[in-house]
Amino acid sequence: ELKVEQNPLFLSMQEGKNYTIYCNYSTTSDRLYWYRQDPGKSLESLFVLLSNGAVKQEGRLMASLDTKARLSTLHITAAVHDLSATYFCAVDPPSGTYKYIFGTGTRLKVLA
Amino acid sequence: NAGVTQTPKFRVLKTGQSMTLLCAQDMNHEYMYWYRQDPGMGLRLIHYSVGEGTTAKGEVPDGYNVSRLKKQNFLLGLESAAPSQTSVYFCASSYSRSGTGGGGYTFGSGTRLTVV
Repeated sequence: ELKVEQNPLFLSMQEGKNYTIYCNYSTTSDRLYWYRQDPGKSLESLFVLLSNGAVKQEGRLMASLDTKARLSTLHITAAVHDLSATYFCAVDPPSGTYKYIFGTGTRLKVLA
Repeated sequence: NAGVTQTPKFRVLKTGQSMTLLCAQDMNHEYMYWYRQDPGMGLRLIHYSVGEGTTAKGEVPDGYNVSRLKKQNFLLGLESAAPSQTSVYFCASSYSRSGTGGGGYTFGSGTRLTVV
């Protein structure tokens, strides 16, 4: 059974600081997604990582995928308050299934 | 561009009552999904559909039924609501298997359901 773990679950950081959120998964997969959710809102797609070594960047966020280590990271550079949200990773299971598995989310709070 | 539309947005039910949540997408997506979101548990898949007329069970299907009579609509039914079904429900859709090739899933805005 595919399991997806994120850490930390909660993160409080000062503006201007850097930090990394980790997403570990338990079985082979070469596709991973990152989503953002603001309080009371829906999930918004951030990054789609489709191969080993994939790196995507958007503004102060950068995501990477290491399929051999079964690990994805979401790196935050010089955090700003607007990045406060919950971030989810989701892993596409092996072929033959039709749905992917979400991590429990990382709740990020950036303090001014 | 409506995307994925869920109705209703909020609902309060009494234990034992029934209701149907509607999900409609206008992107011609083949795949549709119903998730529930509970604090500390991420999103868990209830049921999903890989095309018109098809449905399948997800991770937590008990107490729910679904139907996909038209490609653009995916209905989630609660026949006899229980307090354990208090949650936020999200519908999602995608072009292909597991949302590949198009940026993953497109989510609706959610339905907040409380069962008292």
